[in-house]
Amino acid sequence: QSALTQPPSASGSPGQSVTISCTGTSSDVGGYNYVSWYQQHPGKAPKFMIYEVNKRPSGVPDRFSGSKSGNTASLTVSGLQAEDEADYYCSSYGGSNNLVFGGGTKLTVL
Amino acid sequence: QVQLVESGGALVRPGGSLRLSCAASGFTFSDYYMTWIRQAPGKGLEWVSYISSSSRTIYYADSVKGRFTISRDNAKNSLYLQMNSLRAEDTAVYYCARVHYYALEAWGQGTLVTVSS
Repeated sequence: QSALTQPPSASGSPGQSVTISCTGTSSDVGGYNYVSWYQQHPGKAPKFMIYEVNKRPSGVPDRFSGSKSGNTASLTVSGLQAEDEADYYCSSYGGSNNLVFGGGTKLTVL
Repeated sequence: QVQLVESGGALVRPGGSLRLSCAASGFTFSDYYMTWIRQAPGKGLEWVSYISSSSRTIYYADSVKGRFTISRDNAKNSLYLQMNSLRAEDTAVYYCARVHYYALEAWGQGTLVTVSS
């Protein structure tokens, strides 16, 4: 069982927006602004998409945005495109010098 | 560009040992914390261990503490993971990644470790 809880699946049609949640506790997501999101296509390494809750690394489209409220972080993908279909993982600093991950969400573009 | 290349994955019997390597290029390796992350087949990501730029600070997940040892050689731009007393549940793709404030900025392509008799 993963430390952070994500829905197993999410879906949307091209052009729509979809939001993926990541729920932790006050000891991880709620306690630190060190939430990150990663995209993973089948058979590939994860790709860094969001850091420190809502910051985008260079090269990541602004269709991807992050936010946090209390113990729940969220990743929103706007203007869905076919290439956004992938698994998405959240992570957070978990205190006590460890990093915790969510179980992953499979995003399907209908 | 930043490049991380893992190697050393193999099929090993339970109780055996293996040493993974990660060769870094395209950035000043000695400036960054580094980490190992693993992903069991069909499963999610799991943090394994991380090491500070100077090797002074090292942490492990409880699942590998006492069995795995992380190390680095800044002169060779390389990161290592010595894995002892391997178990079936250690079977996974192992990724090395560059760390910046608990964000994993760059990842290697991964190397597969299979523990089976």
